[in-house]
Amino acid sequence: QVQLQESGPGLVKPSQTLSLTCTVSGGSISSGGHYWTWIRQHPGKGLEWIGYIHFSGSSYYNPSLNSRVSISLDTSKNEFSLRLSSVTAADTAVYYCARAWSRTSSFDYWGQGTLVAVSS
Amino acid sequence: DIQMTQSPSSLSASVGDRVTITCRASHTISNYLNWYQQKPGKAPKLLIYSASSLQSGVPSRFSGSGSGTDFTLTISDLQPEDFATYYCQQSYSTLALTFGGGTKVEIK
Repeated sequence: QVQLQESGPGLVKPSQTLSLTCTVSGGSISSGGHYWTWIRQHPGKGLEWIGYIHFSGSSYYNPSLNSRVSISLDTSKNEFSLRLSSVTAADTAVYYCARAWSRTSSFDYWGQGTLVAVSS
Repeated sequence: DIQMTQSPSSLSASVGDRVTITCRASHTISNYLNWYQQKPGKAPKLLIYSASSLQSGVPSRFSGSGSGTDFTLTISDLQPEDFATYYCQQSYSTLALTFGGGTKVEIK
């Protein structure tokens, strides 16, 4: 059974960089051709796709965040990471990591989510 | 971006009711439509993929239909554990995946 777990600071100051890690267990991130994904949910709001990365290293980002976001893989640790730069209060959200079988598939496994607040 | 519009945004229903939620895409997305259930404080859970395929382990009272721009999630015989928020998501436009705004199913 694949499990995903987000980790990282729960509080980030405005203008700084938000960094989160998703640790995957029960399967290798470098097998199966999956797309490892970040999704966020603003408090009381809907879901927003941030981007995903393939084990080959190819990454794709939401155009609305493209200039500030980066997703990377660490196959030795079986984890992938999110970096979102120049954060503002509008980036306060619950951040989820998830897995997709392909670029056109659904998200079948999700982490529990982690709340990140942007505040001074 | 492809906009996903769900209706209604909320509804009240009783245990045993049949509930239908609609999702409309701003452009045709073939059958690249997925449905998720989210309970408070929890991550979304995949229910239906490719418009009508039931995810493993999901009760058969959940069903999905549609193609092109109009899609439906139906819950037959609503159970107490089904009270949650439901989201549709298009996976057609892979450079900009988008979700619907959600439909909250509440107890009448």
